[in-house]
Amino acid sequence: DVKVTQSSRYLVKRTGEKVFLECVQDMDHENMFWYRQDPGLGLRLIYFSYDVKMKEKGDIPEGYSVSREKKERFSLILESASTNQTSMYLCASSHGNTIYFGEGSWLTVV
Amino acid sequence: EDQVTQSPEALRLQEGESSSLNCSYTVSGLRGLFWYRQDPGKGPEFLFTLYSAGEEKEKERLKATLTKKESFLHITAPKPEDSATYLCAVLNAGGTSYGKLTFGQGTILTVHP
Repeated sequence: DVKVTQSSRYLVKRTGEKVFLECVQDMDHENMFWYRQDPGLGLRLIYFSYDVKMKEKGDIPEGYSVSREKKERFSLILESASTNQTSMYLCASSHGNTIYFGEGSWLTVV
Repeated sequence: EDQVTQSPEALRLQEGESSSLNCSYTVSGLRGLFWYRQDPGKGPEFLFTLYSAGEEKEKERLKATLTKKESFLHITAPKPEDSATYLCAVLNAGGTSYGKLTFGQGTILTVHP
């Protein structure tokens, strides 16, 4: 079975804090993704990475950055968290056309 | 721009009452259409990939079909454990090889015992 693990399921952070969301996949997949999911807006792509140290912006990259130092690990960074970044964040990886998701990280910014 | 519209937004069924969920799409060249199941508070779970019109895939009580403009997820004799949000997504053939999907809003299915 494909396993995409997000280390933090629930986080509460203060406005202005730097936030790291970590994701690890054990399938040796080339591609990894970060989405956010909000009611009424569905899933929106923030960033994706197709190789170590490679990244591309998705549909809503503003306010976020990413890091991929190892093939199995993809981190999402909120440089200065804001309340409008309160959301569910989903990490995913893919081989070929099929994307597999992690369990999600619920982030609340107060 | 790729678009995916799912209907209905919510569907309530009695256990054993078969029905279908719809996913209409517009895409400039379909590389694949995907169905996912999402339980509350969890990430989407992959169900099916369909690649060309006329294709069908089955898994337990679920059957996905594809035409040139829409896909249906048929649920036969559903059980309460089939209650979830079902998401449809498309992959554009002109896009990158990296699997960037466009998702619909989902259909919330509730099956009552």
